[in-house]
Amino acid sequence: DVKVTQSSRYLVKRTGEKVFLECVQDMDHENMFWYRQDPGLGLRLIYFSYDVKMKEKGDIPEGYSVSREKKERFSLILESASTNQTSMYLCASIAFGNQPQHFGDGTRLSIL
Amino acid sequence: RKEVEQDPGPFNVPEGATVAFNCTYSNSASQSFFWYRQDCRKEPKLLMSVYSSGNEDGRFTAQLNRASQYISLLIRDSKLSDSATYLCVVGDSNYQLIWGAGTKLIIKP
Repeated sequence: DVKVTQSSRYLVKRTGEKVFLECVQDMDHENMFWYRQDPGLGLRLIYFSYDVKMKEKGDIPEGYSVSREKKERFSLILESASTNQTSMYLCASIAFGNQPQHFGDGTRLSIL
Repeated sequence: RKEVEQDPGPFNVPEGATVAFNCTYSNSASQSFFWYRQDCRKEPKLLMSVYSSGNEDGRFTAQLNRASQYISLLIRDSKLSDSATYLCVVGDSNYQLIWGAGTKLIIKP
């Protein structure tokens, strides 16, 4: 069974801080994704990666960056956190193609 | 127009009833379709993939209508534990998945 682990379930940070959200998967999946989910908007793709050191912008990359130094780990970075980045952040992975995504538990991030 | 649209609900349904909801998509070249279930404050979990011929998993039936560009989910003999938000997901050939905002279902005793 695929296991996707996000480093924190709940996180509270202050405006202007640099925030790191970590995601690790144990199934040797090529593709990893970071989403945010807000009420009434569904999941919106921030960034995805299809290989180590490769990244692609999603629909809402502004204010975020990512890092994929190892295949199993995909990090989301908020360079200078702002209150409008308060959200639920979800990491997902798939092996290849249009397979269903496997999600981590999610991180509820609050920026004060 | 949103690329993937769902009625947000909530659908309030008595236990034991049958409930169905649809999801429309705008990209006629879409290739993959899924239904996910999401409980409050939890991550989405795959409920079922949707195949061209339609597919069934216990009380759940999923259908795809390419001509009208929608997928549907039917739940028979609904249980209290079916209360959740149901998310429709549509994918193209480039790993791009578009998520609907979800339909909230509440099963009442």
